Amino acid sequence: AQKVTQAQTEISVVEKEDVTLDCVYETRDTTYYLFWYKQPPSGELVFLIRRNSFDEQNEISGRYSWNFQKSTSSFNFTITASQVVDSAVYFCALSYTSGTYKYIFGTGTRLKVLA
Amino acid sequence: GAGVSQTPSNKVTEKGKYVELRCDPISGHTALYWYRQSLGQGPEFLIYFQGTGAADDSGLPNDRFFAVRPEGSVSTLKIQRTERGDSAMYLCASSPGTSGEQYFGPGTRLTVT
Repeated sequence: AQKVTQAQTEISVVEKEDVTLDCVYETRDTTYYLFWYKQPPSGELVFLIRRNSFDEQNEISGRYSWNFQKSTSSFNFTITASQVVDSAVYFCALSYTSGTYKYIFGTGTRLKVLA
Repeated sequence: GAGVSQTPSNKVTEKGKYVELRCDPISGHTALYWYRQSLGQGPEFLIYFQGTGAADDSGLPNDRFFAVRPEGSVSTLKIQRTERGDSAMYLCASSPGTSGEQYFGPGTRLTVT
């Protein structure tokens, strides 16, 4: 069975602090995709990143960075120098690489960045 | 270009009534997904269309739920004899291909009273 765990329900930080959101996944598949989405108060899920299970290179995009470690089945997301606009619920998701490609989402982490 | 759109944005209905929720995917996207998101939870898969056919409807909770995509573009999620437990945000997503990331619409918040 496939499962995604986001153990942090809610995190509060002060603006300009760095924050890491944890994601642990379970799958028996050897190939899979991992994703992060942002859900701001408006409600629309915004795509942030997709990672193929074959590619363990870490990625940086501006203030965002992702650390993928197959050995620990984790795909953590770090925001550097957080801003108030980063306040949102962040979801980690897993999908198959064949068949339906449907997503299995975690329960999300609510990030509050205080001014 | 235009993103995924969903109508209505909010729907309040009485228990036992029939509702239809509409999704307009991004033009040219062949894959379309419906998810349901309850408060404080992550979205849960309902059904997936590739073109006009429902390739995977394993997430539909029971036979009161049904979805169509007759021309391979717009999709309608239909819920019969609504129950209070159906209250949730219903999200639609589309993808250019089966291996691509999914782009989500703003959702329809359904409230069953």
